[in-house]
Amino acid sequence: GQNIDQPTEMTATEGAIVQINCTYQTSGFNGLFWYQQHAGEAPTFLSYNVLDGLEEKGRFSSFLSRSKGYSYLLLKELQMKDSASYLCAVMDSNYQLIWGAGTKLIIKP
Amino acid sequence: IAGITQAPTSQILAAGRRMTLRCTQDMRHNAMYWYRQDLGLGLRLIHYSNTAGTTGKGEVPDGYSVSRANTDDFPLTLASAVPSQTSVYFCASSDSNTDTQYFGPGTRLTVL
Repeated sequence: GQNIDQPTEMTATEGAIVQINCTYQTSGFNGLFWYQQHAGEAPTFLSYNVLDGLEEKGRFSSFLSRSKGYSYLLLKELQMKDSASYLCAVMDSNYQLIWGAGTKLIIKP
Repeated sequence: IAGITQAPTSQILAAGRRMTLRCTQDMRHNAMYWYRQDLGLGLRLIHYSNTAGTTGKGEVPDGYSVSRANTDDFPLTLASAVPSQTSVYFCASSDSNTDTQYFGPGTRLTVL
């Protein structure tokens, strides 16, 4: 079966750095996406990785290792507004997105 | 309209009633999707459409139907609602160049 694993919840301090991990087992791989979802709102696109390595976009970076079935999202200089759920999703061989359950990130002052 | 809109925002429905959730996008995206999101679970695909005139079944299609008469609209119908269909429903569309999906604001549906 297809599976995406990520921690249920993480807590971090304002101004710090946090890394949210995602491991996956899917039938085929056509890219990995990270989305941010604030409570009561829709998911919004953060990043896309299809090749191994690090993609940096401002305070957010995403890393992919296809051989290990592993990705992480790195958030730097955390702000209170970064409190949200972070969703990892993999596009499988049928070009369908398989979603993880999300990691709820709590930022404390 | 800018992006994707969904209607209604929320709805309480009696079991056995028929309900159509509306979704409209103005980005001229070919592909559109319907997901449900339940606490503790990832987004689950109900139905999708790769282009106007075609539809396909996702992971959890039972009890739902869709149509795609044109590029912009992708309604989701619950023929006879059941309490297990209580959920938040998101419509999304994707750019065929990047496969990135963009989501509407969601419909919160409660079936009693």
